[in-house]
Amino acid sequence: EGLLVESGGGLVQPGGSLRLSCAASGFTFSTYVINWVRQAPGKGLEWVSAISPTGKGTYYLDSVKGRFTVSRDNSKNTLYLQMNSLRAEDAAIYYCTKEDGVLHLASDIWGQGTMVSVSS
Amino acid sequence: IQMTQSPSSLSASVGDRVIITCRSSQNIVNYLNWYQQKPGKAPQLLIYAASSLQSGVPSRFSGRGSGTDFTLTISGLQPEDFATYYCQESYTTPRTFGPGTRVEIK
Repeated sequence: EGLLVESGGGLVQPGGSLRLSCAASGFTFSTYVINWVRQAPGKGLEWVSAISPTGKGTYYLDSVKGRFTVSRDNSKNTLYLQMNSLRAEDAAIYYCTKEDGVLHLASDIWGQGTMVSVSS
Repeated sequence: IQMTQSPSSLSASVGDRVIITCRSSQNIVNYLNWYQQKPGKAPQLLIYAASSLQSGVPSRFSGRGSGTDFTLTISGLQPEDFATYYCQESYTTPRTFGPGTRVEIK
């Protein structure tokens, strides 16, 4: 079935940095696109970033371009999101998701999420 | 691509038939997915490719549509179905979500 477990969230001051991790198990991590999706408190879902199976292709929401960097280490079955110059509006639960091409690129596995708070 | 959903919320009783509508601003063929999210939990995939039921999802959930107009139907609402439902297009990046439809108990 597969499992994703996020970590690395926490409280950071505006302008600060944080690195999120997403550990995968139970599926062949290196063959799937993985996304980051966030949800601000009481709000809806917002796609943030995606990375191709090899890591050569990366994609970002316009509002995080130049501040966030997605990467992966397929030898460790782990995805990362480096978040710099954090703003109040970046505060959210961050989920990593596995995207399945057989399922028309739907996200069939979601992690439990990690909370990022941005406040002085 | 912009995604809209209607209604934004609804109240229904156990056993009711519920229909949620999702519309995209561009033709997304059938690259439309539906997710269910319960409070404090991660979303779960219900429907992919507009009308295909994800493994393990009860058959009372069904999806229809293509192009720009899509629906999610719950036939015979159960107590565990009270949740927020999101559509998402997977035709392009960003993979835009709809704003959500909250289904509450009447």
